[in-house]
Amino acid sequence: GQNIDQPTEMTATEGAIVQINCTYQTSGFNGLFWYQQHAGEAPTFLSYNVLDGLEEKGRFSSFLSRSKGYSYLLLKELQMKDSASYLCAVPNAGNNRKLIWGLGTSLAVNP
Amino acid sequence: ETGVTQTPRHLVMGMTNKKSLKCEQHLGHNAMYWYKQSAKKPLELMFVYSLEERVENNSVPSRFSPECPNSSHLFLHLHTLQPEDSALYLCASSQGGTGGHGELFFGEGSRLTVL
Repeated sequence: GQNIDQPTEMTATEGAIVQINCTYQTSGFNGLFWYQQHAGEAPTFLSYNVLDGLEEKGRFSSFLSRSKGYSYLLLKELQMKDSASYLCAVPNAGNNRKLIWGLGTSLAVNP
Repeated sequence: ETGVTQTPRHLVMGMTNKKSLKCEQHLGHNAMYWYKQSAKKPLELMFVYSLEERVENNSVPSRFSPECPNSSHLFLHLHTLQPEDSALYLCASSQGGTGGHGELFFGEGSRLTVL
């Protein structure tokens, strides 16, 4: 089967660094997505990793290890506006039009 | 502003009502999606349209009926819903090929409450 696991909640302090982990099980692999969703708003795309390694995009970086079925999202210099839910998703191995989603990690950034 | 607009943003309906959700995308994408988002559950894909043809129907009850009259518009027709259908319904679009899954652009969702 296919499955995604993420921590349910995390708390961090403004200005700090936080790492949000995602582990996945899938029979085939076609990349991994991270989305951000603020309360009451639409999810928005953050990153897509298909090769191993770290991809940096400003304060946000995403890492992938295909051999370990593992990814993380790294948020640096945290700001209050980073308080949101972070969703990890992978395309279904048998049907690329379908994404398998994690439950999301709710991040609270405190002053 | 993501380029995907959904109306209405909030909808309350009785179990015997018929209503429709509307989605419009201004991005020139070739695929549109309906997702259901409920508390404590992952996003659930309901329907996918590619070039106006339904290519995915994820075992959704027939009380949900999608319609895609053109590549920019997507509707979800609702009738005789159940209270457990109360959720946030998200529309999304992407520019993906037949084999790939491109980045999704979501609308802000329609919050549905079924009484």
